[in-house]
Amino acid sequence: QLQLVQSGAEVRKPGSSVKVSCKASGGTFSNYIITWVRQAPGQGLEWMGGIVPVFGTSDYAQRFQGRVTLTADESTSTAYMLLSSLTSEDTAVYYCARAQYDDNGDYFMDVWGSGTTVTVSS
Amino acid sequence: DIQMTQSPSILPASVGDRVTITCRASQNISRWLAWYQQKPGKAPKLLIFRASSLRSEVPSRFSGSGSGTEFTLTISSLQPDDFATYYCQHYNNFPYTFGQGTKLEI
Repeated sequence: QLQLVQSGAEVRKPGSSVKVSCKASGGTFSNYIITWVRQAPGQGLEWMGGIVPVFGTSDYAQRFQGRVTLTADESTSTAYMLLSSLTSEDTAVYYCARAQYDDNGDYFMDVWGSGTTVTVSS
Repeated sequence: DIQMTQSPSILPASVGDRVTITCRASQNISRWLAWYQQKPGKAPKLLIFRASSLRSEVPSRFSGSGSGTEFTLTISSLQPDDFATYYCQHYNNFPYTFGQGTKLEI
């Protein structure tokens, strides 16, 4: 049974960057998509983007374009999310999730990591 | 971007109740809709994809319906474990967006 194990909580100062990792255990993510979704305190869910590890191709929500970079290392079954130019509004729990393609060529998230809390504070 | 609007935002209910949550899309998304359940401090869990396809390990008291712009999630007989927040999410095109959530509470 695939599990996604995320890296630990991070505290960053405004203007800096954070890199969160997501390691697959008990399975591989090579034939799937790894997506990233964040949730600010007391708020809803926000899709940030997704990467297809086998191809290294990625898509991003427009509002994160230029600030987020998704990468994946197939040899270690680990995906990474790098978010730069942090502000206090980036304080959130960041989830990675495996996604499966549906018939329309888009995808839904079926296995989620437990989340990584990122706090941005001066 | 496609806007997803859920109603109600809060739904008081009791064990054994039949409840329905509605999700409306700002444009036609065919059947490309998923429903997730989230409990406090936990990651979301997939319940339903393609509007009405139940994930294999999800109890059959959960069901989804709809197409186009209007969708519903129904729980036929609420169990104590079902009190949580529910989100719909479209995957018709990028960016995928979620509804604001419906909190099911006693």
